[in-house]
Amino acid sequence: KAGVTQTPRYLIKTRGQQVTLSCSPISGHRSVSWYQQTPGQGLQFLFEYFSETQRNKGNFPGRFSGRQFSNSRSEMNVSTLELGDSALYLCASSLATDRVNTGELFFGEGSRLTVL
Amino acid sequence: AQSVTQLGSHVSVSEGALVLLRCNYSSSVPPYLFWYVQYPNQGLQLLLKYTSAATLVKGINGFEAEFKKSETSFHLTKPSAHMSDAAEYFCAVSYSSASKIIFGSGTRLSIRP
Repeated sequence: KAGVTQTPRYLIKTRGQQVTLSCSPISGHRSVSWYQQTPGQGLQFLFEYFSETQRNKGNFPGRFSGRQFSNSRSEMNVSTLELGDSALYLCASSLATDRVNTGELFFGEGSRLTVL
Repeated sequence: AQSVTQLGSHVSVSEGALVLLRCNYSSSVPPYLFWYVQYPNQGLQLLLKYTSAATLVKGINGFEAEFKKSETSFHLTKPSAHMSDAAEYFCAVSYSSASKIIFGSGTRLSIRP
């Protein structure tokens, strides 16, 4: 069974640009969550999608957005990049139910974004 | 607000010594609790989870954690540390009323030979 796949693994952008990251969850998983990991802030929850709907959102500005497709694949987009957006962006999928997500999260290896 | 606090950003123990990583949660409702481990340049993987079935939870690689409601704690332990245990460990919490899992700030575990 294939794991969670994130692309690209590494990317470098400059301030003001935008970036799109992709996540393919484990087959059968309907929930996809995104996290930002930085040395100073740790793991910060961005948002969670379930059946193409954003079910939960963290405290990030509107420059951070996401979506989920009918095959459960998800993308997140960051517009007008700032230096502080440099981070490891982790995607995780799970067998969440319609109501709650109390199960195990399966993480990808992340997309490391560097903003210059 | 839902949160977890991990005491100690860095813990160093000798090989063969007891490992104790501390985690406290803030909640007035029963939580679901997790410990995840992250090895360098990798994503996180689940060590163990508490879902109210038993207060002492056994996980992979010899780790276990005990849920103590009176102390709102869920500390992670391993009787004898191995060099391969060097990694970052995250405590996490979620609740039946929510669909997101919140992580603590992490504890980096170093193992001295």
